[in-house]
Amino acid sequence: EAQVTQNPRYLITVTGKKLTVTCSQNMNHEYMSWYRQDPGLGLRQIYYSMNVEVTDKGDVPEGYKVSRKEKRNFPLILESPSPNQTSLYFCASSLKGQRQSGANVLTFGAGSRLTVL
Amino acid sequence: AQKITQTQPGMFVQEKEAVTLDCTYDTSDQSYGLFWYKQPSSGEMIFLIYQGSYDEQNATEGRYSLNFQKARKSANLVISASQLGDSAMYFCAMREVNTNAGKSTFGDGTTLTVKP
Repeated sequence: EAQVTQNPRYLITVTGKKLTVTCSQNMNHEYMSWYRQDPGLGLRQIYYSMNVEVTDKGDVPEGYKVSRKEKRNFPLILESPSPNQTSLYFCASSLKGQRQSGANVLTFGAGSRLTVL
Repeated sequence: AQKITQTQPGMFVQEKEAVTLDCTYDTSDQSYGLFWYKQPSSGEMIFLIYQGSYDEQNATEGRYSLNFQKARKSANLVISASQLGDSAMYFCAMREVNTNAGKSTFGDGTTLTVKP
């Protein structure tokens, strides 16, 4: 089954304790992206990657890191989490998106709900 | 820069009636895609419909249609014959093709409640 898998789905942690949210896709997609969703603010893009070893900042990258060493994986790293990073996080993937096509549709993971105390 | 505006935080519709969810956008790119996603209370993001900026016909997918008015920069979602299962949050989103192919922007969402 074509899917994007995120882990963990739920996590409660404390301020300053490094954590990684993993994201893996099995669709051979070049493009992967991370979002956070907060009440009333929709989804905001954190980082994205157009291909292996190519990453770039979205609209809210502060406090986050990413890496893209393999095509299928795009982990989100919080080096020193703070309470304002409490949020619902989504990973998504698609084909590269550099031509106008329905193939640009993002496939989302199930989401990871993170609470930082 | 891309911007998506959804001006209706909440909408109500009677079961079996049609409803329109508004979306306006702003972009300097000539080539872009517009999307609608549904997020039920369980939290997953479900793709509903896509419209390319060069598509002359409005997109349709079953009970969903996209009323695309390029000159007005609007991409409203029309749901016909609403069902109780349509109660959810709906997001309008866009991706540019040329200038910022990696960027994707979402609106703040509209919560739709279908009344029996």
